[in-house]
Amino acid sequence: DIQMTQSPSTLSASVGDRVTITCRASQNINSWLAWYQQKPGKAPQLLIYKASSLESGVPSRFSGSGSGTEFTLTISSLQPGDFATYYCQQYKFYLTFGPGTKVDIK
Amino acid sequence: HVQLVESGGGVVQPGRSLRLSCAASGFTFSSYGMHWVRQAPGKGLEWVAVLSSDGSNKYYADSVKGRFTISRDNSKNTLYLQMNSLRAEDTAVYYCAKVLEQRLAIDVFDIWGQGIMVTVSS
Repeated sequence: DIQMTQSPSTLSASVGDRVTITCRASQNINSWLAWYQQKPGKAPQLLIYKASSLESGVPSRFSGSGSGTEFTLTISSLQPGDFATYYCQQYKFYLTFGPGTKVDIK
Repeated sequence: HVQLVESGGGVVQPGRSLRLSCAASGFTFSSYGMHWVRQAPGKGLEWVAVLSSDGSNKYYADSVKGRFTISRDNSKNTLYLQMNSLRAEDTAVYYCAKVLEQRLAIDVFDIWGQGIMVTVSS
């Protein structure tokens, strides 16, 4: 099984901050990595797939990078609606989610 | 409008069964692989099962293998999850999800249902 880790587990930031979340896979997943945003009581929403492809309708302040085992999600300028939990997901071998990173207000 | 709506959740005793449904609309249901994902209260996301567009391939997480069965009725645009021998650790919000690309089973999820709560408790 492929295990996913994320860091940090919680991140405190302010509106306008540049935010970076890291996701690591236990083995090479090439670029088969996605990022989701989840707000309390809501279903997750797809942000990024194939490590760096922006899903339709997602603001361009979200970007993804990486390949192999290390990936990052960057929010270039944090907006009020971006305070949420972010999950990475590998889909090279079945599917595994990372444990999540909660972005809260500093 | 592309939509997935889950139903069938509730409170059930340990060892009993429950069947979830996921009604799809707004897209060609028979062309897409479909998944179930769950989230225990206050916890992260856990993939549960996948079923290919034509129903010929299905895979399960180890935690539910042998107890849960995923199925679909493409004539009714509906996905199902039959859950048997339920345990307290199966308590979660269950989401159905559609994959992004047609004809793929393993892929990212671009559409999710609103989720349905399943509570396993005596």
